[in-house]
This record gives sequence, structure tokens and C-alpha cells, in this order.
Amino acid sequence: QLQLQESGPGLVKPSETLSLTCTVSGGSISSSSYYWGWIRQPPGKGLEWIGSIYYSGSTYYNPSLKSRVTISVDTSKNQFSLKLSSVTAADTAVYYCARPYCTNGVCEEGWFDPWGQGTLVTVSS
Amino acid sequence: EIVMTQSPATLSVSPGERATLSCRASQSVSSNLAWYQQKPGQAPRLLIYGASTRATGIPARFSGSGSGTEFTLTISSLQSEDFAVYYCQQYNNWPLVTFGQGTKLEIK
Repeated sequence: QLQLQESGPGLVKPSETLSLTCTVSGGSISSSSYYWGWIRQPPGKGLEWIGSIYYSGSTYYNPSLKSRVTISVDTSKNQFSLKLSSVTAADTAVYYCARPYCTNGVCEEGWFDPWGQGTLVTVSS
Repeated sequence: EIVMTQSPATLSVSPGERATLSCRASQSVSSNLAWYQQKPGQAPRLLIYGASTRATGIPARFSGSGSGTEFTLTISSLQSEDFAVYYCQQYNNWPLVTFGQGTKLEIK
């Protein structure tokens, strides 16, 4: 059963760079044929797609965050990572990594399941 | 960007009754819509995709309908474990997927 686990600092200072890693177990990023995603959720608010990455390193980013976001992949570690620069209090959120839903061996882009448990990142001095 | 609007923001329903949640898209998303359930402290869980197809393991009391700009999630007979926040998500504009702001389903 595929599982995803986010990790990284829970506290980041304003203007610094937020860095998170998603570790995948029970499946291989390098043998996948879909985009792995990052999604965030500010406390008490809705969900926002941040960006997605293919095993080859091809990426898509949300235009609203594109200037500050970098997503990368390390297939040797079965991980993909998120960097968000110049953070402010508005970037305080639970950050999730997720995979497209697969059924009967077919995975389709667009909707996500499973998700990691999420990690809260607070931006504060 | 396609804006998803959910209504109502909060819905109070008694256990055993039917709940109907709405989601509207700012432009047509065809049937490219998903519904998620989120409980406190947990990640969202996929319920419905393709507007009406239940994900693996989702009980039959959950059903989705609609196309274009108007969608509905119906829970036919509410169980205690169904009280949660529900989000719709469009993926017609993939990879720029967008979510609604959520409907909180609470016990009446």
C-alpha cells in the first residue's frame, strides 16, 4: 500500500525559504507515469494546489506561487521536495504531498489519493 | 483560474437523514470534478471522481451528480462518521486544479 510522509521544519522565519520533503513508500517514483503533487491548507481554510512533478523532473506550478516555488525529485531516495522562498505569515499552512488516484492499475491525473498526513509549517519570527 | 463555490458553508443534518451539498464552477468543467471528505486533523480522502464515480471503498450512500457548472454530493442516510468537511475540486483545467472553500456537515 502506497504511503507518503512529509517532513521538514515546522517553523520558518519570514523572508526565509520553506523546505519540505515527501518520502514515498510502498511504490516507486521512478516507475510511475504521473505527476506527484504538493497541496497546502492554511489553518481553518480551504485547499490550494502548489505544484506537481514527474519522475523525470518535469514540473507544473500554480501561477500564483510560481515565482517562489521549486519542486524537485530524487528518485534514488524515492522522494520529492518543495521549496518556497520569501515566505510570509500567509504561507503558514498544513502542507500535503499526494499522488493521483489509481484504480485497477490505471492512474489518472487530476484527483489525488492517497495524501500524506500533512505537516504544519508556521511562518513566524 | 476556475473558481469553485460551495454551498452552504455549514449544513446541519440529523443522523439518518439525507444531506445535499452543492458545488458550482465559474465556467464549465464538464464532468471533471471530484469530492473529498476531511475530518479534523486528517488529510482529505477522495470520495467521488468524474462527478459521479465512487472511489474504491466508498460506501454506496455517497453519490455525486452534475456536469458543466453545477454539481451535487448526496449522502443518503447520514452516519456518525460522515460529519466532516467536504470539498469539491475541478481538474478540467489540469494541472491548475482548484478546490471549493468547503462545506462543513455538522450534527443537528
